[in-house]
Amino acid sequence: KNEVEQSPQNLTAQEGEFITINCSYSVGISALHWLQQHPGGGIVSLFMLSSGKKKHGRLIATINIQEKHSSLHITASHPRDSAVYICAVSRGTSGSRLTFGEGTQLTVNP
Amino acid sequence: DVKVTQSSRYLVKRTGEKVFLECVQDMDHENMFWYRQDPGLGLRLIYFSYDVKMKEKGDIPEGYSVSREKKERFSLILESASTNQTSMYLCASSYPGTDTQYFGPGTRLTVL
Repeated sequence: KNEVEQSPQNLTAQEGEFITINCSYSVGISALHWLQQHPGGGIVSLFMLSSGKKKHGRLIATINIQEKHSSLHITASHPRDSAVYICAVSRGTSGSRLTFGEGTQLTVNP
Repeated sequence: DVKVTQSSRYLVKRTGEKVFLECVQDMDHENMFWYRQDPGLGLRLIYFSYDVKMKEKGDIPEGYSVSREKKERFSLILESASTNQTSMYLCASSYPGTDTQYFGPGTRLTVL
């Protein structure tokens, strides 16, 4: 069993829909990261959180430390949100290596 | 803005060739990482380096080596490429004292 599990693996939505991607982890962590990978490969960091909730534009990330679970929400989804969303955890001191989930392929149709 | 560049976006090599993948970052990061990404497996760490001339094995170092002679440059070397090393290779770097990693655009390597 992977230390970081994401669901669903693939998600197709219509433009405007509210989207949720889930991440569960089985190890102690210092922080959880959400990353976005567009076609072509480049990966950008969306959020790093260790408790509570963060919001950036239409993206919201939450984490429940007790349940070892995080969610990434996208409100009013748009075709440009189509990408792979990756959950990762850091487990040690800052600057430590990350452990990644397999990613969720999101497709938003117009 | 942090910029991480990789020497090639696409590369085709033959089995047995020695392959060099280069990564350069321009923000004086001490930590640098090499990953490979395969469908269904996600990103897996090959090697990382936390300082010049320092390196540590990641989860899948077999068949790879690395070199870090200068702070800004981290090279991944496939001593004798094999078909099972066909993959997307991603380099990343991070500031000391933070967990956020900045990724390069990736190199899609095909070994024939």
